[in-house]
Amino acid sequence: KNEVEQSPQNLTAQEGEFITINCSYSVGISALHWLQQHPGGGIVSLFMLSSGKKKHGRLIATINIQEKHSSLHITASHPRDSAVYICAVLPAGGTSYGKLTFGQGTILTVHP
Amino acid sequence: DSGVTQTPKHLITATGQRVTLRCSPRSGDLSVYWYQQSLDQGLQFLIQYYNGEERAKGNILERFSAQQFPDLHSELNLSSLELGDSALYFCASSVGPSHEQYFGPGTRLTVT
Repeated sequence: KNEVEQSPQNLTAQEGEFITINCSYSVGISALHWLQQHPGGGIVSLFMLSSGKKKHGRLIATINIQEKHSSLHITASHPRDSAVYICAVLPAGGTSYGKLTFGQGTILTVHP
Repeated sequence: DSGVTQTPKHLITATGQRVTLRCSPRSGDLSVYWYQQSLDQGLQFLIQYYNGEERAKGNILERFSAQQFPDLHSELNLSSLELGDSALYFCASSVGPSHEQYFGPGTRLTVT
């Protein structure tokens, strides 16, 4: 079993829909990242969070440390949101030194 | 634009050859990370440097080596290349190990 599991693996939506991508992890962490990767390959950091909730535009990320679970929400989805969304955790502990462990990614396609 | 630069963007080489990938971190960032993204393995952490010193190692092959120079740029050296080394190689940087990481555009390596 992977240390970081994302669901769903594939997600198709119509423009305007509310989208949720989930991430569960099995190790203690000091922080969790949500990343976006477009078809061209570049990776953009969306959020880094260690507790609670963060919002940036139409994107909202939440984390529940006790339940080892995070969600990424996209409100009013748009075709330009089509990308792969990747959850990555930074394990707790002094030897981690920023050593991210990645989920397998969620492929999101938003149709007009 | 994350502020992290990587060169070259694309590299095509033959099996058995050696290549060097270069990364310049964001201004002020002391930590540099190298990641490999292949179709079958997803994103994997290779190695991390902080202010010139190696701090963490992932599943990096012995044929691969890296270093961070006094001006904080980093190089990843891949030798005795095999077909399976074909992948996207990303560099990321952060202020420190527990801070948000910013990814470069990647180098696409094709080994023929």
